Amino acid sequence: DVKVTQSSRYLVKRTGEKVFLECVQDMDHENMFWYRQDPGLGLRLIYFSYDVKMKEKGDIPEGYSVSREKKERFSLILESASTNQTSMYLCASSLRGTYGYTFGSGTRLTVV
Amino acid sequence: AQKVTQAQTEISVVEKEDVTLDCVYETRDTTYYLFWYKQPPSGELVFLIRRNSFDEQNEISGRYSWNFQKSTSSFNFTITASQVVDSAVYFCALMWAGNNRKLIWGLGTSLAVNP
Repeated sequence: DVKVTQSSRYLVKRTGEKVFLECVQDMDHENMFWYRQDPGLGLRLIYFSYDVKMKEKGDIPEGYSVSREKKERFSLILESASTNQTSMYLCASSLRGTYGYTFGSGTRLTVV
Repeated sequence: AQKVTQAQTEISVVEKEDVTLDCVYETRDTTYYLFWYKQPPSGELVFLIRRNSFDEQNEISGRYSWNFQKSTSSFNFTITASQVVDSAVYFCALMWAGNNRKLIWGLGTSLAVNP
């Protein structure tokens, strides 16, 4: 069964910490995405990557960075976590182009 | 501008009722793709269907059916004989050929099916 795996289901971090959220897909997909989901705001794209070492900003990249050193792994980095980054973070991948996304189960991050 | 509107924020039905979730989209492109996803309480979004703009045939999959109408820019989703397991948030999304990696999402419709 094809999968997108996010390393943590729940995380609690302190303000100012550097936070790494990891995502791994086993489907040889070209594209990978990081979203955050907040009540009433839907899914908002933070960053995406269409190839190794390639990345593009999404709609809300401020306060985040990403890394894709290998095709199967896409990391989201919160350089200095803040309380307004408390959210559900969803990773997704797609084969290429117009194919649909496969999502991970999400990481609920709380910044205290 | 590309946009997806799901006007129904929350719907509550009793089991075995039929329910239709509305999705209206905006795009200037002639080539685009429409999607529906389901997000159950567990949180993981599950892909349901992808439809391209050149295929206006309605689709049926078990109790699920989709009605695509370009004339009204709508891609509605109907669940027949709803079940408690259908309780979830359902998202409609749009991808257009000019930017064929990113999805534009509606805000979702929360469906509660009560026994």
